[in-house]
Amino acid sequence: DVVLTQTLVAQPVRLGDQASISCRSSQSLVHSDGHTYLEWYLQKPGQSPQLLIYEVSNRFSGVPDRFSGSGSGSDFTLKISRVEPEDLGVYYCFEGTHDPFTFGSGTKLEIK
Amino acid sequence: QVQLKETGPGLVQPTQTLSITCTVSGFSLTSYYMQWVRQTPGKGLEWMGFIRSGGSTEYNSEFKSRLSISRDTSKNQVFLKMNSLKTEDTGVYYCARDVGMGAPVMDAWGQGASVTVSS
Repeated sequence: DVVLTQTLVAQPVRLGDQASISCRSSQSLVHSDGHTYLEWYLQKPGQSPQLLIYEVSNRFSGVPDRFSGSGSGSDFTLKISRVEPEDLGVYYCFEGTHDPFTFGSGTKLEIK
Repeated sequence: QVQLKETGPGLVQPTQTLSITCTVSGFSLTSYYMQWVRQTPGKGLEWMGFIRSGGSTEYNSEFKSRLSISRDTSKNQVFLKMNSLKTEDTGVYYCARDVGMGAPVMDAWGQGASVTVSS
């Protein structure tokens, strides 16, 4: 199975600063169809996960443009350009390329 | 308005069978895949399996031998059944709508059904 590695806790950030969260895969996430099925979800305290990004860099409808995804192959990054209080929570990457699909262990975003 | 709601037993005894119902509104089960994901203290978020808009299913091999996903489109309900429960199956079970972009893309989630496996 694919293992997605995330840092447990991101470097604490101030509100308004940029945050960067990484996700590294044990295998390339390029599918045989040419797409890379890497997604990002945010789980706010006490809530269900919510979709932020799909296929590495596509923002889901309604997600603020301060969220951006990048990367290729097996190395991916989620950036939040100006952290706001509602961005707090745990960020998970998810791969839909290799069955069984897997989630990373999550990165908690903390405020300095 | 898209809504999903899981209902389950809360407490299940070891070796017994877990049954959870996901009731949806605001969309048709014949137009979307439906995913099941669980979150356990030991393993975090785990993809369990899905049912396609046409009714066929796929399962994570981790659960394949004891997991079943089905649906009743007339009632807008999707069902998860998992047998031979163990204490490590304790967690929150989510159903999620999949927008179907070639891989699971889960754009709407239920609030989750909390399950404790204990005697």
